[in-house]
Amino acid sequence: AQKVTQAQTEISVVEKEDVTLDCVYETRDTTYYLFWYKQPPSGELVFLIRRNSFDEQNEISGRYSWNFQKSTSSFNFTITASQVVDSAVYFCALSEGGQGGSEKLVFGKGTKLTVNP
Amino acid sequence: DTGVSQNPRHKITKRGQNVTFRCDPISEHNRLYWYRQTLGQGPEFLTYFQNEAQLEKSRLLSDRFSAERPKGSFSTLEIQRTEQGDSAMYLCASRPLAGVYNEQFFGPGTRLTVL
Repeated sequence: AQKVTQAQTEISVVEKEDVTLDCVYETRDTTYYLFWYKQPPSGELVFLIRRNSFDEQNEISGRYSWNFQKSTSSFNFTITASQVVDSAVYFCALSEGGQGGSEKLVFGKGTKLTVNP
Repeated sequence: DTGVSQNPRHKITKRGQNVTFRCDPISEHNRLYWYRQTLGQGPEFLTYFQNEAQLEKSRLLSDRFSAERPKGSFSTLEIQRTEQGDSAMYLCASRPLAGVYNEQFFGPGTRLTVL
């Protein structure tokens, strides 16, 4: 069965601090995809990044970076120099890959990030 | 705006009433998904369509729930005889058939409150 665990329920930081959101996943599939979504107070889920199971390269996009490690089944997300606008709930998600795989995304429970001025 | 749209954004109903939500996916997106999100939880998959065919349903989708996508464009989700436990945010997402990464784009959701 697929499972995503986000152990951090809430994190509070002061603006300009770096913050890392943890994500641990479980799957028996060898082909799978991992995602991070942001849900601001308005409620709409915003796609941030996708990573497939064969690509363990870390990625940086502006102040955002992602660290994918298959050995520890983790896909962590770091925000550098956080800003108040980063305040939101962040979800990690997993889906199966390959022909015949389920289309569903399995989400973690989310981490609520509050960035204080 | 060419994103996923959902209507209504908010719905308040009394227990036992039927409700229907609508989702309009991004144009030319063949695949459409419904999720439910309760307070403090991540979204949970309900069902998905490829064009007009409903290809997967979660066990969460009880007999009181039905979803349709009659012409392969917009979709409706109906809940009959609503219960207080149905109170949640109902999210719709879509993606194109092409592409292997299952990158789904979400709408703003319909928040249902059952009194």
